[in-house]
Amino acid sequence: QSALTQPASVSGSPGQSITISCTGTSSDVGDYNLVSWYQQHPGKAPKLMIYGGGKRPSGVSTRFSVSGSGNSASLTVSGLQPEDEADYYCCSYAGGGTSYVFGTGTKVTVL
Amino acid sequence: EEQLVESGGVLVKPGGSLRLSCATSGFTFTYAWMSWVRQAPGKGLEWVGRIKSQGGGGTIHYGAPVKDRFTISRDDSKSTLFLQMNNLQTEDTAMYFCVHNTGEERFGYWGQGTLVTVSS
Repeated sequence: QSALTQPASVSGSPGQSITISCTGTSSDVGDYNLVSWYQQHPGKAPKLMIYGGGKRPSGVSTRFSVSGSGNSASLTVSGLQPEDEADYYCCSYAGGGTSYVFGTGTKVTVL
Repeated sequence: EEQLVESGGVLVKPGGSLRLSCATSGFTFTYAWMSWVRQAPGKGLEWVGRIKSQGGGGTIHYGAPVKDRFTISRDDSKSTLFLQMNNLQTEDTAMYFCVHNTGEERFGYWGQGTLVTVSS
């Protein structure tokens, strides 16, 4: 199964909003309730940011939100802050519950 | 607080074998679905495989690149997850993360990873 497609990089100034797209097929991203998003700072383990169509684990800022349309899902970061600079990955639960496929990853730069 | 601590990563020659371990604490491991996810140096994340809880059937699924070479197992009495890797190839060089699936569609808690290097 091929990796989901994300833009290689996205940038924004502090306070601005950015959106990261995640494009796949009807068999994976088609149900964006099965898409989760991860933040990874350099040298660190990934961290779950959003899952299940917009649910955030305890401690994750409400500045992170998601949307979906067709075979694409998107992560929006509002009010960009310096600590948001990191790599972001989408992931879809696919294969009828037998596999997972990650996105190619997006590097977010805070200007 | 959940903790996942991987160990066992080393330098190994192509064709060799290696067994990774993941010691866990802070949650009821017996009920947990667990996964391995890897990341090659400078590259993105790749799902390796997942094992359900025994109560969930204990079913194991693998990603295509590792199927028939890697085996996931668990010791619920020791709250430990394992990854047996055989016939290792250079493309298996990666940081290997142990992950707790806090829901079947998501990877909720991650260990810090253990580095496996396959090189002659």
